Amino acid sequence: DAKTTQPNSMESNEEEPVHLPCNHSTISGTDYIHWYRQLPSQGPEYVIHGLTSNVNNRMASLAIAEDRKSSTLILHRATLRDAAVYYCIPTEWAAGNKLTFGGGTRVLVKP
Amino acid sequence: DAGVIQSPRHEVTEMGQEVTLRCKPISGHNSLFWYRQTMMRGLELLIYFNNNVPIDDSGMPEDRFSAKMPNASFSTLKIQPSEPRDSAVYFCASSLGGAQPQHFGDGTRLSIL
Repeated sequence: DAKTTQPNSMESNEEEPVHLPCNHSTISGTDYIHWYRQLPSQGPEYVIHGLTSNVNNRMASLAIAEDRKSSTLILHRATLRDAAVYYCIPTEWAAGNKLTFGGGTRVLVKP
Repeated sequence: DAGVIQSPRHEVTEMGQEVTLRCKPISGHNSLFWYRQTMMRGLELLIYFNNNVPIDDSGMPEDRFSAKMPNASFSTLKIQPSEPRDSAVYFCASSLGGAQPQHFGDGTRLSIL
């Protein structure tokens, strides 16, 4: 499994953008980059995933570095509901899409 | 659409008792995963199934743990006998397989006294 490095925590003001970095320098060429988040007292929730190109969906954007050794999850306008732990997870799809969760980044959103 | 359904939501039992956790995956999903979350170890994959067949059980802590998937719409995780160190939140997730996202249930909070 590729190892990841994420900051332990980040703070943001409500309605401001949040940029969550993730280093995954040992990622293999076939690993997808998945992001999940876990709100308090809930199960993890899928946010977004990508392979090489930047990706957008209704929840967030994912910017992937050209060498794929890092990526950034972008929450365009943070709301109080976005306060959660965010996990960056390189995933080898051929291995059955197993998710190996690290420590993640705890995002605090201030009103 | 109903998501992944887990039962019970909470379970409190005494050490040595058998515990059975249940999971109903999303209809049409062919991959099912069991995870455990503790403060000390975070979220860990215990076992996963593809098309009802166990594929990787390397995360199962020991022989006291067993998981079954008798059909595409039901799975169980059993602990016998239970020990206090098994106290955790257990999550079930399902997916369409491949690189498709996993959908998690709300979890079962297990306390072994």
